[in-house]
Amino acid sequence: SYVLTQPPSVSVAPGQTARITCGGNNIGSKSVHWYQQKPGQAPVLVVYDDSDRPSGIPERFSGSNSGNTATLTISRVEAGDEADYYCQVWDSSSDLFGGGTKLTVL
Amino acid sequence: QVQLQESGPGLVKPSGTLSLTCAVSGGSISSSNWWSWIRQPPGKGLEWIGEIYHSGSTNYNPSLKSRVTISVDKSKNQFSLKLSSVTAADTAVYYCARTDSSGYYKGYWGQGTLVTVSS
Repeated sequence: SYVLTQPPSVSVAPGQTARITCGGNNIGSKSVHWYQQKPGQAPVLVVYDDSDRPSGIPERFSGSNSGNTATLTISRVEAGDEADYYCQVWDSSSDLFGGGTKLTVL
Repeated sequence: QVQLQESGPGLVKPSGTLSLTCAVSGGSISSSNWWSWIRQPPGKGLEWIGEIYHSGSTNYNPSLKSRVTISVDKSKNQFSLKLSSVTAADTAVYYCARTDSSGYYKGYWGQGTLVTVSS
């Protein structure tokens, strides 16, 4: 079965750029979606179809996908970006989520 | 603005059946979208349970398929989850969500409801 691999944690200072990766076999051939989840809240879609942003999501959030790695990039990181981030793909009639990455803003 | 709201018992006994309903407002459940259930055990990641289309077509997580039934009630604009033979490992926050049929992303989520399996 298909597996999505995310680093458990990423740390970044305010104002810097955070990059969160999602690894999978030939993931570049799939559409990858990203969710932000803050404690006690439901996940929020921040990037869909590799690099599109839903309305209301800041331009600081962007995505890319190629080869075996998809990446969520958060520019000019703010304290409010501290959260868990999950990637998701659709494969063989099943939804799959990565294990999640905790973004810590130092 | 589409809104989803989960409801159901917060406590289920081991070996029993977990039953939840997701009420959809601000949009029709007969729209061209799938309707999904996702769960999150305390302190852990997201796990997709399954989904249903308004026609009744379903897709289930293979690891849960033998215990899961998802149904739709178009007259009430809601869909439901049943998970049988539950154990403590099924304790989780259960979310319902709308899945876009073109990209399979989930743009709308319910707030989630905690279900605890305990005697």
